[in-house]
Amino acid sequence: SYVLTQPPSVSVAPGQTARITCGGNNIGSKSVHWYQQKPGQAPVLVVYDDSDRPSGIPERFSGSNSGNTATLTISRVEAGDEADYYCQVWDSSSAHVVFGGGTKLTVL
Amino acid sequence: EVQLVESGGGLVKPGGSLRLSCAASGFTFSSYSMNWVRQAPGKGLEWVSSISSSSSYIYYADSVKGRFTISRDNAKNSLYLQMNSLRAEDTAVYYCARILSYGDVSWFDPWGQGTLVTVSS
Repeated sequence: SYVLTQPPSVSVAPGQTARITCGGNNIGSKSVHWYQQKPGQAPVLVVYDDSDRPSGIPERFSGSNSGNTATLTISRVEAGDEADYYCQVWDSSSAHVVFGGGTKLTVL
Repeated sequence: EVQLVESGGGLVKPGGSLRLSCAASGFTFSSYSMNWVRQAPGKGLEWVSSISSSSSYIYYADSVKGRFTISRDNAKNSLYLQMNSLRAEDTAVYYCARILSYGDVSWFDPWGQGTLVTVSS
């Protein structure tokens, strides 16, 4: 089955840029979606189809996808961005939805 | 406002059954595929099952296939998850989420607030 690999944690100072990666075999051939989950809350979609943003999501959130790595980039990080972030794809070969293990973003 | 509200969670003994419901409002429920995703305490997200708008296509994670059944009632704007032969490892918050898609690409938005299922003797 298809596997998505995320770093368990990423730390960044306020105002800096955070990059959260999601690795998978030839992930560049798939569409990747990203969710933000704050403690005690449901996940929220922040990027879909590699790089599109839902309405209401700040432009500071952006995505890219190429080769074996997809990346969620958060510019000018704020304290309120501290959360767990998950990547997700649809694996058509198994007809399964796949989530990455999640990355905890800490704002120093 | 698009809204999803789950219910039906609770404490159940191993081997028992539970039926979760998800009430949808604010959008044309019958036009969208839906799914269930769960999250064990302190763990990541795990996809459980998806169902197409007319129930023609249904998919399950290997961990629940044969024990869980997803269904929907478009007349009642409701999604269901019948869970049988429950195990301790099924303990989790269960979220329903609307599927947005085109072709072979699908993502989830929005998500409900979740309902907690605890399997314990």
